[in-house]
Amino acid sequence: EAGVAQSPRYKIIEKRQSVAFWCNPISGHATLYWYQQILGQGPKLLIQFQNNGVVDDSQLPKDRFSAERLKGVDSTLKIQPAKLEDSAVYLCASSLMYQETQYFGPGTRLLVL
Amino acid sequence: AQSVTQPDIHITVSEGASLELRCNYSYGATPYLFWYVQSPGQGLQLLLKYFSGDTLVQGIKGFEAEFKRSQSSFNLRKPSVHWSDAAEYFCAVDKTGTASKLTFGTGTRLQVTL
Repeated sequence: EAGVAQSPRYKIIEKRQSVAFWCNPISGHATLYWYQQILGQGPKLLIQFQNNGVVDDSQLPKDRFSAERLKGVDSTLKIQPAKLEDSAVYLCASSLMYQETQYFGPGTRLLVL
Repeated sequence: AQSVTQPDIHITVSEGASLELRCNYSYGATPYLFWYVQSPGQGLQLLLKYFSGDTLVQGIKGFEAEFKRSQSSFNLRKPSVHWSDAAEYFCAVDKTGTASKLTFGTGTRLQVTL
């Protein structure tokens, strides 16, 4: 079965610009997660969706980050405006249901200059 | 707040040697415990998980981990390391019993020498 797909794989932007990341979860997976992984750290959960509803966005910096999951399948994560400290790998994961093992995509590496 | 500690930032072992990566957690009850591996440019892959029951857990790629409640530890082991095991290893815990609220450690980078 196909894994979690993410695009783009790499992105370089100037600070104050906006950027968007796309994630396509494993087919049939109801739960979708976005993580931020800063260099030298473990991934940190930003937002969790169950179908197209938000379950947990307590660690999402809502003044600049937004995410949506239309129709309960694909998801986009947006940063507007970007800051230098947003440089990180953004990982998308999905699970069949809530409380199931998470499967991760390859990530999008963002560099903000 | 729950936390996960991986005390070794970087470990180097020779191919064929045994491996143990340490993971300690701070939480009163027994959380769900996971080990993930991340190869360069790849996403995280689940190696194994512990929810309850037998404290020695077998995973993929010949890895195993042992849960020790008295030490709040969940160390990852492999009896004979292969060069392809070079990667970053993350321990993660979930105290909610849902497998959906993962807190990751900072990772241990494994280097394998030939």
